[in-house]
Amino acid sequence: DVKVTQSSRYLVKRTGEKVFLECVQDMDHENMFWYRQDPGLGLRLIYFSYDVKMKEKGDIPEGYSVSREKKERFSLILESASTNQTSMYLCASSLESQVGTDTQYFGPGTRLTVL
Amino acid sequence: DAKTTQPTSMDCAEGRAANLPCNHSTISGNEYVYWYRQIHSQGPQYIIHGLKNNETNEMASLIITEDRKSSTLILPHATLRDTAVYYCIAQTYKYIFGTGTRLKVLA
Repeated sequence: DVKVTQSSRYLVKRTGEKVFLECVQDMDHENMFWYRQDPGLGLRLIYFSYDVKMKEKGDIPEGYSVSREKKERFSLILESASTNQTSMYLCASSLESQVGTDTQYFGPGTRLTVL
Repeated sequence: DAKTTQPTSMDCAEGRAANLPCNHSTISGNEYVYWYRQIHSQGPQYIIHGLKNNETNEMASLIITEDRKSSTLILPHATLRDTAVYYCIAQTYKYIFGTGTRLKVLA
């Protein structure tokens, strides 16, 4: 079974703090993704990575950056947290980008509150 | 990228089949239909996917119309634990999640 783990289930930070959210997958997947989920808005893609050190912006990258130094690990960074970044953050991974093998597997999520 | 349309909510009696429809009229030839569900406060869980043919696994069945413009996810014997938000996605590589169908299984 694919396992995607996220460093924290719940996190509380203060406005202006630098925040790191970590995601690890154990299935040698090429692709990794970061989403945020807010009530009424569904899941929105922040960033994704299709290889080590490679990244692409998703639909809402503003205020975020990412790092992928190792294949199994994908980090989401909030350089200076703001209250409008309070949300559920979900990480996912998929084997490849080819059709039919791009099933995404999700982690349990991190509920971040910025005060 | 195909847009999907799903009903906002549905109820189903426990033990009965739950049929969740999805419209994806702009789907292109190489886009698969994926179904996920999300139980409250957890990450989305993969259920099933298909291209043209009907598919079945231990969780559900997926029926795709011949013109591929719509599909139905079938949970053959719904249980209370199937209460969740169900997402239909017609996409390759980069998913776009809509707001899904909130399925409530009633005892």
